[in-house]
Amino acid sequence: DAGITQSPRHKVTETGTPVTLRCHQTENHRYMYWYRQDPGHGLRLIHYSYGVKDTDKGEVSDGYSVSRSKTEDFLLTLESATSSQTSVYFCAISRAGAEVDTQYFGPGTRLTVL
Amino acid sequence: KQEVTQIPAALSVPEGENLVLNCSFTDSAIYNLQWFRQDPGKGLTSLLLIQSSQREQTSGRLNASLDKSSGRSTLYIAASQPGDSATYLCAVSVLSAGANSKLTFGKGITLSVRP
Repeated sequence: DAGITQSPRHKVTETGTPVTLRCHQTENHRYMYWYRQDPGHGLRLIHYSYGVKDTDKGEVSDGYSVSRSKTEDFLLTLESATSSQTSVYFCAISRAGAEVDTQYFGPGTRLTVL
Repeated sequence: KQEVTQIPAALSVPEGENLVLNCSFTDSAIYNLQWFRQDPGKGLTSLLLIQSSQREQTSGRLNASLDKSSGRSTLYIAASQPGDSATYLCAVSVLSAGANSKLTFGKGITLSVRP
């Protein structure tokens, strides 16, 4: 599993509440990514980080924010959860950028927003 | 905008059959193409990465080819086994607006190998 853990693994919350998902790695990899996976849409990039405090938006970043204050942790925050954010969220890491290196995925977090 | 297509969405074959999974992409300006496997309820596992300058990569019973000019890749699985049952996703690496590369994924092909 490339030393990646995600917490929580399952969460049910209500519309309008804030939610924070955590990705933790033990590999000291520079790059970290947050994806969401939905039926009919596949896997889509939300945000990614290319170093401590260095982050950038992916294709579906609206409604999400991220923070990376340490190499090993990448947090994804839903400031005010909506039902459209019900999804499975995956964290991934890589040593180098996607132009040369593959990505290693965590086990996922299943989030349900009621 | 880069689009990655995998057809069909699902495939069922008898054990022992050699099979080919297809992937197509719209923009040939890619850094690499990657194949992943996803088991139900799990994360993705990297299978093969083909750099844009390469034509194919092999790992055990798996062989992936890349034809960048035509925007196509195939994943060949030899002598399929029930344990190969999973969803197979391809992804291409492209330069994003922020000058960092990112992966664009297809929706995957769900393979079922019947004993």
